[in-house]
Amino acid sequence: EAGVVQSPRYKIIEKKQPVAFWCNPISGHNTLYWYRQNLGQGPELLIRYENEEAVDDSQLPKDRFSAERLKGVDSTLKIQPAELGDSAVYLCASSLRQGGHEQYFGPGTRLTVT
Amino acid sequence: AQKITQTQPGMFVQEKEAVTLDCTYDTSDQSYGLFWYKQPSSGEMIFLIYQGSYDEQNATEGRYSLNFQKARKSANLVISASQLGDSAMYFCAMRERDSGSARQLTFGSGTQLTVLP
Repeated sequence: EAGVVQSPRYKIIEKKQPVAFWCNPISGHNTLYWYRQNLGQGPELLIRYENEEAVDDSQLPKDRFSAERLKGVDSTLKIQPAELGDSAVYLCASSLRQGGHEQYFGPGTRLTVT
Repeated sequence: AQKITQTQPGMFVQEKEAVTLDCTYDTSDQSYGLFWYKQPSSGEMIFLIYQGSYDEQNATEGRYSLNFQKARKSANLVISASQLGDSAMYFCAMRERDSGSARQLTFGSGTQLTVLP
């Protein structure tokens, strides 16, 4: 079974530029999460989807961040414009809506804003 | 207040020895779940073990066991017979309202474990 796929793995951009991250969850997983992990810290949730609906986006900085999961499968997280403080690893995870306790994480995208 | 506290930024253990990684949590919910994840230098988060708040027995998964002390609100991870490949960052996490109505994981700050040959 294929795991959670994320691309790109690494991205370096200048501040004020836009950037987008893509995630394809495990097949059949209805719930998809985007986390941000700052250096030396644990991941923090940005947004959670149940199918195509964003059910928890309270931690998403909506002035510059946006996300979509149009068909309830893969998802895109965008930052526009990026700031220096956005440098972090952006992790995508998925889980079954019913049953199953664990979230399965992708390898993450390491973003560096210069 | 921190919901998940990991007080050990770094730990060292000799290969083949056991090691305990500490985790305390704070919640007013009766139903919650506790998780441990491993994050090697490659970056992916690997699920290790889960303990539900109503589980009477401590969870075990191979060389991993969770020492769950509900009254003390602690959920320490015990790794037996450490291997060099266990060197990684370890995160404790909690999911409140474990009945499934809310699935947000709250993570601690992690413990960097180094296994010495």
